[in-house]
Amino acid sequence: QKEVEQNSGPLSVPEGAIASLNCTYSDRVSQSFFWYRQYSGKSPELIMSIYSNGDKEDGRFTAQLNKASQYVSLLIRDSQPSDSATYLCAVGRGSYIPTFGRGTSLIVHP
Amino acid sequence: DAGVTQSPTHLIKTRGQHVTLRCSPISGHKSVSWYQQVLGQGPQFIFQYYEKEERGRGNFPDRFSARQFPNYSSELNVNALLLGDSALYLCASAGGDYGYTFGSGTRLTVV
Repeated sequence: QKEVEQNSGPLSVPEGAIASLNCTYSDRVSQSFFWYRQYSGKSPELIMSIYSNGDKEDGRFTAQLNKASQYVSLLIRDSQPSDSATYLCAVGRGSYIPTFGRGTSLIVHP
Repeated sequence: DAGVTQSPTHLIKTRGQHVTLRCSPISGHKSVSWYQQVLGQGPQFIFQYYEKEERGRGNFPDRFSARQFPNYSSELNVNALLLGDSALYLCASAGGDYGYTFGSGTRLTVV
């Protein structure tokens, strides 16, 4: 059983649309949740972290966490072609050893 | 401020050889973790060190080992390289509650 699950995609959205990326996890005592963006051939870059149920907004990005459903999502508003990348969901406990999903490939087409 | 630095950037090794990868964390960060990322997969956890002590180990064979030095830099060693060890090796440092910051990685190719 995979601990962090993501649809590998690709998710294709038109420029200007909202991209919705989803992630489920199996460890009920998880406390920390992260979204990373990874461009092809590059290392992951942290874009959002969330620790409490609800929404957290940062610019065009909104992370949503529902611990009861063991579900975390990332919304990207006004998607741009430069947002095209793989988005990795990571889930961890207080020991700072997050487990990563395999990532969802996002393609934003003009 | 310098971010997480890794060396070398790229490496080509032959099966059976040994390799050492190096990482310097962000200044002030005491935790260093190593991940392996195979193409098309998410990063897989290998080791975590905190204050020079091993705090966690992933499901990797004993051919993989690591250590952390007094200045918090770290080395990852892999012995008896296999073709399947070809991957991007990522080092990440953590400080406070803000998750991991990754270095640019070392691309290892085993031929």
